[in-house]
Amino acid sequence: DAKTTQPTSMDCAEGRAANLPCNHSTISGNEYVYWYRQIHSQGPQYIIHGLKNNETNEMASLIITEDRKSSTLILPHATLRDTAVYYCIVRVMEYGNKLVFGAGTILRVKS
Amino acid sequence: DSGVTQTPKHLITATGQRVTLRCSPRSGDLSVYWYQQSLDQGLQFLIHYYNGEERAKGNILERFSAQQFPDLHSELNLSSLELGDSALYFCASSVGSANEQFFGPGTRLTVL
Repeated sequence: DAKTTQPTSMDCAEGRAANLPCNHSTISGNEYVYWYRQIHSQGPQYIIHGLKNNETNEMASLIITEDRKSSTLILPHATLRDTAVYYCIVRVMEYGNKLVFGAGTILRVKS
Repeated sequence: DSGVTQTPKHLITATGQRVTLRCSPRSGDLSVYWYQQSLDQGLQFLIHYYNGEERAKGNILERFSAQQFPDLHSELNLSSLELGDSALYFCASSVGSANEQFFGPGTRLTVL
């Protein structure tokens, strides 16, 4: 699985968009970009994933650059409850493939 | 609520003991994954079962074992416990083996 690089921490004002970057310059053509988050020792929560195209769901948007070497997770209107560690993971969507978690980005949403 | 349940929530035991952690996957999910999260190692994959069969192993110690039963629930057995085994243990499930995984609330194990 390709390695990812994320900032250690970020702050965001409540109500503003939170943009979390992720670099994955060695990503392979068949590797997807996944985002999970973990709120204070709770179980990690799946957010979104994508391969090439931008994706949006009820939680967030995922913007993947054309060369696929980086991506940005966007939380459109961050709330205090979005304070968490956000993990960017690249993995091949194949049989039995595990999730490899890095250190992630600590996002602090402040009022 | 992910739909994945884990019991117990907390477990305190002594070194040398054996414990069993239990996981019930989301309804319809055939895959169960176990992960360990300790302060110094982060979240690490331990083992994966699909429909009762072991499919992949990660950095799981020989003192640890797991199984998935016909009703698809899974148990993680930890034996000869050491202080360093203190950690959060998460179970995750997915529909197949390649889909996104949904995590349970975890079991916090403290070994004294």
